[in-house]
Formats: sequence, structure tokens, C-alpha cells
Amino acid sequence: DAGVTQSPTHLIKTRGQHVTLRCSPISGHKSVSWYQQVLGQGPQFIFQYYEKEERGRGNFPDRFSARQFPNYSSELNVNALLLGDSALYLCASSSAGTTYNEQFFGPGTRLTVL
Amino acid sequence: AQKITQTQPGMFVQEKEAVTLDCTYDTSDQSYGLFWYKQPSSGEMIFLIYQGSYDEQNATEGRYSLNFQKARKSANLVISASQLGDSAMYFCAMREYGSSNTGKLIFGQGTTLQVKP
Repeated sequence: DAGVTQSPTHLIKTRGQHVTLRCSPISGHKSVSWYQQVLGQGPQFIFQYYEKEERGRGNFPDRFSARQFPNYSSELNVNALLLGDSALYLCASSSAGTTYNEQFFGPGTRLTVL
Repeated sequence: AQKITQTQPGMFVQEKEAVTLDCTYDTSDQSYGLFWYKQPSSGEMIFLIYQGSYDEQNATEGRYSLNFQKARKSANLVISASQLGDSAMYFCAMREYGSSNTGKLIFGQGTTLQVKP
């Protein structure tokens, strides 16, 4: 079975641009979470979606938005990019929303903002 | 406040020896879970082991064991018989299952482990 997939693998943007990152969860998983990992730090929670509804939001500005589609894949959108948005963006999927369940992470999208 | 603290930025261990990676946590929830993840240079987060707050026995998964001391709020990872492939960044994480249960994982700063041949 395929694991969590993310696209693109790498991305280079300039300040002020917009970016869309994509995530496909493991088949049968209905929950997707997004994390931002700045170099040298632990991942920071951005969003969680379950059954196409937002279930949690981290301390990120409104420039960050996300959505989940009927097939449970998800997009993370970031508007008006800043240099500080350069990071590894990780997507994780799990089979349930808010009960314990192991979160399986994808390989990440490495975003560089110039 | 929810927080995970990993005080060891970097650790060295000789191949085939055991190593302990420290993790302390802070939460006001009675129900929570503690996780350890391994992150190689490729970037993918690999789940290693889980300990629930109500679990009475320490979790074990192969060469990984979690030394859970609830009163001290610590959840140290022990890796036995270290292998060269264990060289990576290790993250301790926590998830709360109480009123603030959003599925969010709170991560520590990580510990870089290098295994010497």
C-alpha cells in the first residue's frame, strides 16, 4: 500500500507569491494534518482536517489556509510568502480524527522563499 | 502550558551500545499520549513508539523502549544495541486527549544522534 504522498518535493518561490502544497493520505485514512518544520526545529502544527472539516488550527497567520477534498486529499495554501515561510512542510494522515491513532507522515515539501 | 523539552541537542553513541534520549513534558490534561519519531536526513518522520498516560507498563518496540516516569513527567527513549542506521534526528511529541483534543502533536526541539563505528 502507498504511504502518504506529497507534491511537489521541492519548491522555490519569491516573496509575495502564493504557493499550493498537496497531500494524499493513506488509503482509508480520513484525517490529514499539516506541520511546518523550520530548519533546526521541531515541527509546528498548522491544521488538522477530518472528514473535510477543520478540526484544529495552530498559531499561524491567516495567510495560511487549507482544505480537504471528498477523496480526503488536502491542499495547504500560503499567500503573500515571506522569507520566514521557508521550511519543510509535512503532511500526516491518520484513520481517525481525535482519538488516539498513529499519524503517518509523508516525505514533506521543502519550500524555499527568496 | 503544553510543552515538550529535549535538553540534548546532540548525542554520540558507540555502535552496539545503548543510548538514552531525554524528554520531559508539561500538560494539564490527565489523558495524553507520548510519541517518539525518527527523522533521517531525507526528512520523513518515522514513528517509533507510543506511550499512553494511563499505560502502567513501559512501551517497547523491538530495540526501542520508553522509560515513562509519570510523576517526573519524563518519557525517555532508550535505544539498545545501536546501529549505524540509527544516526538521525529524534523527536519526542505529545498529544492531549482532553478538552483541547484537536489531533495536534506538540514536538520538542529534537536530539541529533550519531552512532560511531
